[in-house]
Amino acid sequence: AQSVTQPDIHITVSEGASLELRCNYSYGATPYLFWYVQSPGQGLQLLLKYFSGDTLVQGIKGFEAEFKRSQSSFNLRKPSVHWSDAAEYFCAVGSSGGYQKVTFGIGTKLQVIP
Amino acid sequence: SAVISQKPSRDICQRGTSLTIQCQVDSQVTMMFWYRQQPGQSLTLIATANQGSEATYESGFVIDKFPISRPNLTFSTLTVSNMSPEDSSIYLCSVGTGGASEAFFGQGTRLTVV
Repeated sequence: AQSVTQPDIHITVSEGASLELRCNYSYGATPYLFWYVQSPGQGLQLLLKYFSGDTLVQGIKGFEAEFKRSQSSFNLRKPSVHWSDAAEYFCAVGSSGGYQKVTFGIGTKLQVIP
Repeated sequence: SAVISQKPSRDICQRGTSLTIQCQVDSQVTMMFWYRQQPGQSLTLIATANQGSEATYESGFVIDKFPISRPNLTFSTLTVSNMSPEDSSIYLCSVGTGGASEAFFGQGTRLTVV
């Protein structure tokens, strides 16, 4: 069965500082990997995705993530955080069967301080 | 891509009653999924809704509690039956468009049971 681990439940960073959110997955085949963001009272927005190819993927809002098969990781990064990035971030893995059945990590709540 | 409309966006219900949540998609999709997000928790898959067949429920979820309909390729409903305060959650509809594509999510239904 597929699973996702996000070891950091809560992270606080200063505005302008760099950010890295950790994600480890477990999946028997080549995974489909996602990062979603959920702002308070909002639905889920896709930040970026990895299906194949270049292991460094670029997303919206200046986010990027790197797929490392050897470490079963898909960490999310941003070089300079803005106050509007405060939200909850979910890493997710989907089956490569093309059915978009997604398993989510527990989420990391990001707080941005001035 | 797919645009998903969920209704209602929120509701407050009395315990022991039932609520039906509707999910409408702007295009025909093969797979539809229902998730639950309990307060402060991640998203948990309730069931997969296939058009023309019975829904497939995940461990811990049963049809008597969460009956699902999927009458066509653009619409599904989830009913939360005989509600208790523990059912207070956000319920999200998700669709897959097949192939190498992400899952798309509705804005969710915020349910409070009193």
